[in-house]
Amino acid sequence: DAKTTQPNSMESNEEEPVHLPCNHSTISGTDYIHWYRQLPSQGPEYVIHGLTSNVNNRMASLAIAEDRKSSTLILHRATLRDAAVYYCILRAPNKFYFGSGTKLNVKP
Amino acid sequence: EAGVTQFPSHSVIEKGQTVTLRCDPISGHDNLYWYRRVMGKEIKFLLHFVKESKQDESGMPNNRFLAERTGGTYSTLKVQPAELEDSGVYFCASSQTGTQGLLWTYNSPLHFGNGTRLTVT
Repeated sequence: DAKTTQPNSMESNEEEPVHLPCNHSTISGTDYIHWYRQLPSQGPEYVIHGLTSNVNNRMASLAIAEDRKSSTLILHRATLRDAAVYYCILRAPNKFYFGSGTKLNVKP
Repeated sequence: EAGVTQFPSHSVIEKGQTVTLRCDPISGHDNLYWYRRVMGKEIKFLLHFVKESKQDESGMPNNRFLAERTGGTYSTLKVQPAELEDSGVYFCASSQTGTQGLLWTYNSPLHFGNGTRLTVT
């Protein structure tokens, strides 16, 4: 299984940017980097994904290292609703490998 | 559009009994996946349907688990007989099949349901 390493938890203040790191040193050339988040009592929710180039969408930005061995999910202005467990996932064909994720706490 | 729905949201059964979980994917999504998180562990892949066919069932833990997707619409996951270690949250997800080729399909976002919490006592 393709592995990712994330900090167990992080804390942020509301309205401030948050940078969630992920290491994936064993990534292969065809693996896409996906980020999902899971709010309490809900299923995982898609956030963003990319292959080599940085990506932006309405929810977040994804910065991918040049060697692709790490990536960073950027929430530009954290809100209380962003408190969740964030999963960095390497997607092999038709499989997701969930790690343990990073629990993000957002302080008012 | 309606999201992925799972039923029931909670189920409590005794060891040895049978339970059937149901998943209704987003309409038009050919790909349907089952995942589960058992207590204290990571979310793990169970299997993947493309329409009514099992594309990959390598994550199914043993032959007490049976998944079906008759007609390529909703899916059921039956556990018979249930054991204590089957307790956990079972998630279903669906995704589109792209017209741009397999690579697009493999990277179309998964839409998850809110899960069924199964407790075996």
